[in-house]
Amino acid sequence: DIQMTQSPSSLSASVGDRVTITCRASQGISNYLAWFQQKPGKAPKSLIYAASSLQSGVPSKFSGSGSGTDFTLTISSLQPEDFATYYCQQYKSYPLTFGGGTKVEIK
Amino acid sequence: EVQLVESGGGLVQPGGSLRLSCAVSGFTFSDHYMDWVRQAPGKGLEWVGRSRNKANTYTTEYAASVKGRFAISRDGSETSLYLQMNGLKTDDTAVYYCARVSNWGNRYDLDVWGQGTTVTVSS
Repeated sequence: DIQMTQSPSSLSASVGDRVTITCRASQGISNYLAWFQQKPGKAPKSLIYAASSLQSGVPSKFSGSGSGTDFTLTISSLQPEDFATYYCQQYKSYPLTFGGGTKVEIK
Repeated sequence: EVQLVESGGGLVQPGGSLRLSCAVSGFTFSDHYMDWVRQAPGKGLEWVGRSRNKANTYTTEYAASVKGRFAISRDGSETSLYLQMNGLKTDDTAVYYCARVSNWGNRYDLDVWGQGTTVTVSS
């Protein structure tokens, strides 16, 4: 199975900050990497697919990069509605696997 | 509007069975792969399994943790996805989400999610 490791597991940031979350795959997954946002009590929401493509309707403050084993999600200017938990997921091979999540909290 | 609505969750004893449903609308169900994903209380997301599309004869894939106990199927009217769960364990306690797999080009990412249904396995 491909292991997905996210870092940090949590972070505190202020409104307006630039935030970067890292996801590392235990083996190469090309660009078969997605990012999701989840708020408490809600379903996950797709943000990014194919490592760097923005899902329809997602604001451009979110961006993704990387290929192979190392990936990043960046939020350019954190807003109150962005405080949530973020997950990466590989869909290169079965079983599909998620990272452990990064909780973004208000400083 | 694309919608996925799960139902069928509840409280069940260890060893028992439950069938979850995911009613879909707003897209051609038979053209899409569909997944089940679960989330145990306070934990992260775990992929459960997949039903491929009609072109791939609705074949399935499962996580090792549920293989042989869970089965994914679709109804003949092609409006609902099911997750039949047998031999339930306390570790299966979770919110269960159905999710659509995008079929644009070579994407295969999970682009739309339902709101989830809660399964509690306890005596």
